[in-house]
Amino acid sequence: SAVISQKPSRDICQRGTSLTIQCQVDSQVTMMFWYRQQPGQSLTLIATANQGSEATYESGFVIDKFPISRPNLTFSTLTVSNMSPEDSSIYLCSTALGQGSYGYTFGSGTRLTVV
Amino acid sequence: DAKTTQPNSMESNEEEPVHLPCNHSTISGTDYIHWYRQLPSQGPEYVIHGLTSNVNNRMASLAIAEDRKSSTLILHRATLRDAAVYYCILASRGSQGNLIFGKGTKLSVKP
Repeated sequence: SAVISQKPSRDICQRGTSLTIQCQVDSQVTMMFWYRQQPGQSLTLIATANQGSEATYESGFVIDKFPISRPNLTFSTLTVSNMSPEDSSIYLCSTALGQGSYGYTFGSGTRLTVV
Repeated sequence: DAKTTQPNSMESNEEEPVHLPCNHSTISGTDYIHWYRQLPSQGPEYVIHGLTSNVNNRMASLAIAEDRKSSTLILHRATLRDAAVYYCILASRGSQGNLIFGKGTKLSVKP
């Protein structure tokens, strides 16, 4: 089954700056998903990223704030732009466990603190 | 995707079985029942999923009610490592694969 390596694991950033989070999958996957987990809350889907096409964003999330790249079938990045303290959260990527499986695997998350 | 209802928290003793309930009264015929858990400071981890029949794997068992309006995740022998937030999620086979997380059940395991 697919395994995701996510980095950085945590970062502390100044407001107004941007941070790019990377997810590398050990096999080719069609779709990758990006989630946000605010402190003490559950996960919320940000966007779905297919290789070769623009990401599809959920309501409340926009491309200018959270640009996503998907240059190939094993890699994706999420950028959190022009950060404010409200962006302090855990960001996670996800993809299907394997072909034919209906389960999903997640990266270990990036804990972002904006000061 | 339909909504699920879970207790906010549950407690268990180590080495005893744990039954984690989930209600999903608006489940549709194409919805699979998924369970994930999130250990502290980690991403969610797939536990088990099913459609109509009960399912078993090395981590847990999933018991699905005959009318599919509820299900129960069964940990046969809880360990301290099972302390986590457990999420019950409905995902349609035809969906794009994204999961809609509720608040889950925080399971505490006492030694």
